[in-house]
Amino acid sequence: DAGITQSPRYKITETGRQVTLMCHQTWSHSYMFWYRQDLGHGLRLIYYSAAADITDKGEVPDGYVVSRSKTENFPLTLESATRSQTSVYFCASVGLAETGELFFGEGSRLTVL
Amino acid sequence: AQKITQTQPGMFVQEKEAVTLDCTYDTSDPSYGLFWYKQPSSGEMIFLIYQGSYDQQNATEGRYSLNFQKARKSANLVISASQLGDSAMYFCAMRGSTLGRLYFGRGTQLTVWP
Repeated sequence: DAGITQSPRYKITETGRQVTLMCHQTWSHSYMFWYRQDLGHGLRLIYYSAAADITDKGEVPDGYVVSRSKTENFPLTLESATRSQTSVYFCASVGLAETGELFFGEGSRLTVL
Repeated sequence: AQKITQTQPGMFVQEKEAVTLDCTYDTSDPSYGLFWYKQPSSGEMIFLIYQGSYDQQNATEGRYSLNFQKARKSANLVISASQLGDSAMYFCAMRGSTLGRLYFGRGTQLTVWP
C-alpha cells in the first residue's frame, strides 16, 4: 500500500530555474492538494484539484503551476524558482469524504540558492 | 475567512502527565471540521483526531481527546499519560466548505521530558 509518494524528497536548485515536484497516489482519490510549510506559518495551501483537469488556487499560488491530466498524478511546477520558494512541500489527498481528512505524502524539501 | 490560532509556540510536559494544547478558530461556515495533526522530527504529517461541528460528543482516539467548546470556538487537544514519543510539532486545522481544504495554525512544539 504505497499511498502518496513524492519525488524528489530533497532538491537544491538555483534562482530562475524551473523545478517540478511530483506527486503520485495509489488510492484513486479525487481531491489532491499541494501545501507548503514554512517556519511560523504552519501549512498553507498552494493549489488543489477536485478531479482530473480541474484545478484551483489556494492561499499562496503565485509562482506555481499545476496540472492534473491523470487522477493519480498531481505535479507542482515552479516556473522560475525564487529564494522565497525555499520550503517543504507536501502533497495530500482526501481520504474520507465524511470528514475531509487529509493523507499526506512524506514531503519534498526544496532549497533555492 | 477561516482562521486558526495556536497561541503556544512551545509546551513542556513530564512523562506520564497530561497536557493540553490550545486551539481557537474563527469561521462563518455553519458546518466545519477540526483536526489535529502530529509532525515528529522526521517530518511526516500524522492524523490524530477529528471533530465535526455538529458532533455532540467530544472526539477521543486512545490517549488523545479533543475538548470542543463550540460557543468559545475552541478545539483543544488533550494528551493523557504523555510519552517521550509524543515530542513533536502539533498542528490544529479546520476544514471549511471545500472538502479537504484545511486551514492550519502555526503549530505548537511539544517536548516531553523524563
